[in-house]
Amino acid sequence: DIVMTQTPLSLPVTLGQPASISCRSSQSLVHSDGATYLSWLHQRPGQPPRLLIYKISKRFSGVPDRFSGSGAGTDFTLTISRVEPEDVGVYYCMQAPQFPLTFGGGTKVEIK
Amino acid sequence: EVQMLASGGGLVQPGGSLRLSCVVSGLNFNVYTMSWVRQAPRKGLEWVSSITPSGVHTYYADSVKGRFTISRDNSKNTVHLQMNSLTAEDTAIHYCATYEGHLTYWGQGTLVTVSS
Repeated sequence: DIVMTQTPLSLPVTLGQPASISCRSSQSLVHSDGATYLSWLHQRPGQPPRLLIYKISKRFSGVPDRFSGSGAGTDFTLTISRVEPEDVGVYYCMQAPQFPLTFGGGTKVEIK
Repeated sequence: EVQMLASGGGLVQPGGSLRLSCVVSGLNFNVYTMSWVRQAPRKGLEWVSSITPSGVHTYYADSVKGRFTISRDNSKNTVHLQMNSLTAEDTAIHYCATYEGHLTYWGQGTLVTVSS
């Protein structure tokens, strides 16, 4: 199984400042079709997760452009350019080129 | 608007069974691989199972293989998860989600509690 490792576990941030979360996979996430199936999810307290970013850097419909994804191979990053109050919660990276689908352990973002 | 309504959760004794259902509207259900993902209390996300659009191919996490069965009824836009031989480790909110290389749309989830 592909292991996904996220850092940091907790990320105190200042409103209006940037924030970054890292995700590393134990093996390449490049599928045989050439795409890299790495996505990012955001979960607010008491809510289901919602998709933010897929295929490393594609923003899902309705996701603000302050969210961006980058990376390649086994190392990936989610960046929030300017943190807003509604960005608090837990962020997960996820790999899906193969079953079983696996998630990172999550990064809790909170306002300082 | 995509809506995914999961139901069937509840309190069950160890060794018992439950059948979860997820009714989907607002998208062409017949073309989506459907998945179940669960989240134990105060824990992260764990993929449980997926089923291809035709229902021919199914996939399971090792933790549920042999105990859980995923199925779908495309005429009713519904995916099911039959859970047998439940243990305390199965206590979690169970979410249904569409899968297309990423988990795009998620339902609100249904809580399964396994306790005597």
